[in-house]
Amino acid sequence: AQKVTQAQTEISVVEKEDVTLDCVYETRDTTYYLFWYKQPPSGELVFLIRRNSFDEQNEISGRYSWNFQKSTSSFNFTITASQVVDSAVYFCALSGSAGGTSYGKLTFGQGTILTVHP
Amino acid sequence: KAGVTQTPRYLIKTRGQQVTLSCSPISGHRSVSWYQQTPGQGLQFLFEYFSETQRNKGNFPGRFSGRQFSNSRSEMNVSTLELGDSALYLCASSSPGTGGAYEQYFGPGTRLTVT
Repeated sequence: AQKVTQAQTEISVVEKEDVTLDCVYETRDTTYYLFWYKQPPSGELVFLIRRNSFDEQNEISGRYSWNFQKSTSSFNFTITASQVVDSAVYFCALSGSAGGTSYGKLTFGQGTILTVHP
Repeated sequence: KAGVTQTPRYLIKTRGQQVTLSCSPISGHRSVSWYQQTPGQGLQFLFEYFSETQRNKGNFPGRFSGRQFSNSRSEMNVSTLELGDSALYLCASSSPGTGGAYEQYFGPGTRLTVT
């Protein structure tokens, strides 16, 4: 069975602070994919990043960066110099297929509510 | 490209009724997945369709069903509604669908309230 744990239920920061959202996953699949999504108050899930299990390179996109460590089964997300517009619920998700061909199922963590105060 | 669209956006039904939700994927996307989001259970996978075939199914009772049409549009149906079915139902589409997990793009959701 697959499982994603986001230990931080809520985080509150002041604008310009850096913030890291933790994500730990469990899977028996050798090939799997990890994702981060953002859900602003409007409710629509917005895709942020996809990483496959063979690529442990960290990634940076503007103020966002992701740290994937297979040894600790973690895929953490850092926002540098946070802004009020970053306030949202952030979800980490996992997709694996146990040798099959379909990866259409995402297993989500419970989400982390990030509030950035001005 | 237009995004994923879902209709209706809001729905109020009574216990025991049935409901059909519709999802139009991004043009060219052939895989459609459905999720239920509730405060208590979070985001849970319902099922995935690709080329009109259900490829994956989550742990939901048989009252939850779906289908996909030849133009990749998808519908999900919930029969004999229960209060616990009140939720935000999200549809997501992705491309291409044969091996590898591609990012899923989500629609705005249908907010279903069962009274």
